[in-house]
Amino acid sequence: EVQLVESGGGLVQTGGSLRLSCAASGFTFTTYNMNWVRQAPGKGLEWISYIGSTSSTIHYADSVKGRFTISRDNAKNSLFLQVNSLRAEDTAVYYCARDSGYCRGATCYNYYMDVWGKGTTVTVSS
Amino acid sequence: DIVMTQSPDSLAVSLGERATINCKSSQSVLYSSNNKNYLAWYQKKRGQPPKLLVYWASTRESGVPDRFSGSGSGTDFTLTISSLQAEDVAVYYCQQYYATPGSFGQGTKLEIK
Repeated sequence: EVQLVESGGGLVQTGGSLRLSCAASGFTFTTYNMNWVRQAPGKGLEWISYIGSTSSTIHYADSVKGRFTISRDNAKNSLFLQVNSLRAEDTAVYYCARDSGYCRGATCYNYYMDVWGKGTTVTVSS
Repeated sequence: DIVMTQSPDSLAVSLGERATINCKSSQSVLYSSNNKNYLAWYQKKRGQPPKLLVYWASTRESGVPDRFSGSGSGTDFTLTISSLQAEDVAVYYCQQYYATPGSFGQGTKLEIK
């Protein structure tokens, strides 16, 4: 069964940090590009970061650029999101999602997201 | 950045009736070299992760009931549920993947009338 399982969320103070993880199984993780998407309480979906299959291509939303770092460990079928300098507006459910796009050489192309984890909740409190 | 705007924000439809959700992009998401529209639709139920329904604007994801259909091209797109079922109550989002960031619409909340 194709599966993504997020972990690492929790309650953190403003300015704090967390490392979110996403464990992949049931598919060849090394050949897929991956995303993080979040949903704040009462709000819509917000794409926040993307990483190509070999980590050669990385993108961030402006709202998290400079504070969040996406990475992956293909040997461990895992995706990560280091979230630093957290703000109240970062409170959200964070989802990892498999991308259906591809890479050509060092350039990767993001397409639609076809597999999603159940999410991990990050709550930032002052 | 490409801005996606959905209409309406909320919609109430009777069981068995048709539901139509619109999505408009601030610029075309049709890639001329392959004639594909880089547009997807997702269903988000309370307490569940998003679920992919449609990609390339009109290709239904495997396992999605055929009452769901996507249409449109360029900047104007539609998700249609031909005969609303109780389990279709959800928030629906369009998303463009023509450019990074892959922006979502604000969502359309679908309820039973």
